[in-house]
Amino acid sequence: GDSVTQMEGPVTLSEEAFLTINCTYTATGYPSLFWYVQYPGEGLQLLLKATKADDKGSNKGFEATYRKETTSFHLEKGSVQVSDSAVYFCALSEQDTGRRALTFGSGTRLQVQP
Amino acid sequence: NAGVMQNPRHLVRRRGQEARLRCSPMKGHSHVYWYRQLPEEGLKFMVYLQKENIIDESGMPKERFSAEFPKEGPSILRIQQVVRGDSAAYFCASSPPGLAGGQYEQYFGPGTRLTVT
Repeated sequence: GDSVTQMEGPVTLSEEAFLTINCTYTATGYPSLFWYVQYPGEGLQLLLKATKADDKGSNKGFEATYRKETTSFHLEKGSVQVSDSAVYFCALSEQDTGRRALTFGSGTRLQVQP
Repeated sequence: NAGVMQNPRHLVRRRGQEARLRCSPMKGHSHVYWYRQLPEEGLKFMVYLQKENIIDESGMPKERFSAEFPKEGPSILRIQQVVRGDSAAYFCASSPPGLAGGQYEQYFGPGTRLTVT
């Protein structure tokens, strides 16, 4: 079945540092890929997405590129802020089977220190 | 346009009681999904519903759990005879109708945090 593997956290960075959160996936078909962010006590918010190989999703300074050859969708940001502290989830959904369920990674907690 | 609404936000039940969680999708969305998040874990898919139809319940436990999305009113996730292991955050998401597949992202509600004492 489908699966998503994320780097374990917590990731602790100083403000303005460069962020990378690794995400790799296994899928039987051709998935769409997503990054969601969860702030403390809240639900998930879609951060960015990509639906085909070499697509780059971007939002709020975050970006991730759909790499089919390495089955990866790593999240990056050039300069993190304290307000970016949250849990980040990589997820996929199947495009070609009609199955709409999202498969999530276990999440990576990011802590940004001033 | 209001987002996905869930209530209650927090629910405390004693072992053996029933828990009812409600979800109202975004306006114009006819697809509803339920996910469970155990402490310090990712979300796990439970069930996908359209109005009056269960489309995919491959993630639902075989016993005690049921879900519905009636023609009128919110979607309901029901857990009968709750046990301590049911303590978790339950998230509802919705998406618009249209082509199947991942082109339509899911919009999540704030969740219901169930505590079983």
